[in-house]
Amino acid sequence: DAGVIQSPRHEVTEMGQEVTLRCKPISGHDYLFWYRQTMMRGLELLIYFNNNVPIDDSGMPEDRFSAKMPNASFSTLKIQPSEPRDSAVYFCASSFWNGGDTQYFGPGTRLTVL
Amino acid sequence: DAKTTQPPSMDCAEGRAANLPCNHSTISGNEYVYWYRQIHSQGPQYIIHGLKNNETNEMASLIITEDRKSSTLILPHATLRDTAVYYCIAYYRGGSNYKLTFGKGTLLTVNP
Repeated sequence: DAGVIQSPRHEVTEMGQEVTLRCKPISGHDYLFWYRQTMMRGLELLIYFNNNVPIDDSGMPEDRFSAKMPNASFSTLKIQPSEPRDSAVYFCASSFWNGGDTQYFGPGTRLTVL
Repeated sequence: DAKTTQPPSMDCAEGRAANLPCNHSTISGNEYVYWYRQIHSQGPQYIIHGLKNNETNEMASLIITEDRKSSTLILPHATLRDTAVYYCIAYYRGGSNYKLTFGKGTLLTVNP
């Protein structure tokens, strides 16, 4: 299996621009998670989906952030408009309920907002 | 989920066993202890988990005290590639909560 795939791996953009991060979970997994990691706040959960339905988005920092999962093999995290404080590494992870809740993480997208 | 406490950093000599402690004195009876690690610039990687009994897999062993207030992750023969931040997480499986709460973890440095 290819594991969780994220794209792009690096993104540099200017303040005010729209940013879209993409994730392909492991085939057969029914949970998908989006995390953000910064030096100050560590690794924090933003939102997670079960069977393509958002279950908990309480970690989404503000309305500028939105996430979708149109099908079982694809999810996006969008930031619009982006701000310098959004600079972080964004990880996607997936799991399946019968797998002991083990989460498998992707390589992450390093976002820099200038 | 119960709060966990880990030392911020540890050193270990290559080839020796690395023993990483975790305190979870407020853990409830239905919370599991999970360990993940994060090698620099990579996504976190699952290592092992347990409830009451000691567990072993190809990566590590997990020793949980009888009162479940603390645990130790053991890497039997540490290599340089085991240098990473190790996270101990108390996690309730089941219900509708699938949140893993990552703390600051322990930075394990394996020295040659």
